[in-house]
Amino acid sequence: SQQGEEDPQALSIQEGENATMNCSYKTSINNLQWYRQNSGRGLVHLILIRSNEREKHSGRLRVTLDTSKKSSSLLITASRAADTASYFCATGSGGGADGLTFGKGTHLIIQP
Amino acid sequence: GAGVSQSPRYKVAKRGQDVALRCDPISGHVSLFWYQQALGQGPEFLTYFQNEAQLDKSGLPSDRFFAERPEGSVSTLKIQRTQQEDSAVYLCASTEGGGVGWGEETQYFGPGTRLLVL
Repeated sequence: SQQGEEDPQALSIQEGENATMNCSYKTSINNLQWYRQNSGRGLVHLILIRSNEREKHSGRLRVTLDTSKKSSSLLITASRAADTASYFCATGSGGGADGLTFGKGTHLIIQP
Repeated sequence: GAGVSQSPRYKVAKRGQDVALRCDPISGHVSLFWYQQALGQGPEFLTYFQNEAQLDKSGLPSDRFFAERPEGSVSTLKIQRTQQEDSAVYLCASTEGGGVGWGEETQYFGPGTRLLVL
């Protein structure tokens, strides 16, 4: 079963606008990661935020984490057509190396 | 190659056939993961290897699914007597280290094998 729920399921914006995606999860986590998946391709790691962090930046990406609400958000600023993809949050929640638990994803479309 | 590779990229099987999916992780990576991604869904964890040891197979949906990594490098996911519900993209990922747990390391994903069972 999947842990996270991304919101919205789909998002369409104009190039240059900012895109915000949200993720909620259910159990305690050690960290949360965001991945991007282009159509027909594998996932690419974007950013990892640890449970003791509240905000993290990487280029045009900004991730926040609120462990009290069990939620995270991914903000992409100044969007580009190449940002069109599905975005997934994933949590590492096991006590051992048991893989990541992914949400269902947000499909982002950037209109040129 | 520099990344994780998977073969075949596409596989069509008749219901009841056995299939074998291959994953070549990044050279030297200790850990290897298999995930199943149904259409419109996020990936779901199947199994994990640290070197040749299969440390977690809790995500394998049935005993028709079997994975191995005999020499601690290449891995094969085998599905016996395929069913239509097995249709999905099967993703392989590797990480440099092993045993760190809690998803601390970046997982590098292959392009996946898209399996269609008719």
